[in-house]
Amino acid sequence: SAVISQKPSRDICQRGTSLTIQCQVDSQVTMMFWYRQQPGQSLTLIATANQGSEATYESGFVIDKFPISRPNLTFSTLTVSNMSPEDSSIYLCSGGGGEGGTQYFGPGTRLLVL
Amino acid sequence: TQLLEQSPQFLSIQEGENLTVYCNSSSVFSSLQWYRQEPGEGPVLLVTVVTGGEVKKLKRLTFQFGDARKDSSLHITAAQPGDTGLYLCAVNTGGFKTIFGAGTRLFVKA
Repeated sequence: SAVISQKPSRDICQRGTSLTIQCQVDSQVTMMFWYRQQPGQSLTLIATANQGSEATYESGFVIDKFPISRPNLTFSTLTVSNMSPEDSSIYLCSGGGGEGGTQYFGPGTRLLVL
Repeated sequence: TQLLEQSPQFLSIQEGENLTVYCNSSSVFSSLQWYRQEPGEGPVLLVTVVTGGEVKKLKRLTFQFGDARKDSSLHITAAQPGDTGLYLCAVNTGGFKTIFGAGTRLFVKA
C-alpha cells in the first residue's frame, strides 16, 4: 500500500492569486494523478502527472491554469493559477501502480477562493 | 453523458435497513472498483470486481459485477451509522486513468 499526504490541507485565497499544492507518497508509484471534487460531488480527473515531463491534461483543463510538476516517483505539485471563486473545490492527489492497480488517495486540499 | 451512471444519488435510511446502490454503463469493462469516501478524507478502495457475474463480500457489503461486465451493484445489509459516506464506482480507462461515477451519498440514521 501507499500513504499519500498533501499540503496544505486547506486554504483561503484571494482571487487573482495562485496556490501550489504538494503531494508526497511514502513509496515509489508508477502513476500519479490530480483530481478536483466539487462539494458533494464526484471526482473529476484534471491530469496525469508524468515524471520528468509535461503532464497529460483531460479535456477542459489546461497547463496554463493548472501547471503540474513531478520531479520524481514520490512527489508532485499542482498549481491553481489566477484563481477565481469557481476554483473553490477539493483537490485530490492519487498514486497507483498502473493499469488495474490499486489507487491510493491523499486526504485532499480544501480551497476557498474569495 | 457520464461513462458511469450511479443510482440513487442520495439515500437516507434508518440503522438496520438494507440498501442497494447501482452503477450502470453502456460500455464493457475489464474490471470495476467501488470506493467509499468519508467527509474530510480521500476515497478508499473497497473492492475490485473482474469476472462477469462475480460476487464479492466484505462483511455486510456484497458487490456484484454484471454478467456482461457493464454494470455493478453494492448491497449493504443492516446498515449502520458508520456506513455513512459517499460510495463511488470507478473504472480504469486507457492510459491507466481511473474514471469515477457521480457517486451515491448514503446517510444512515441511528
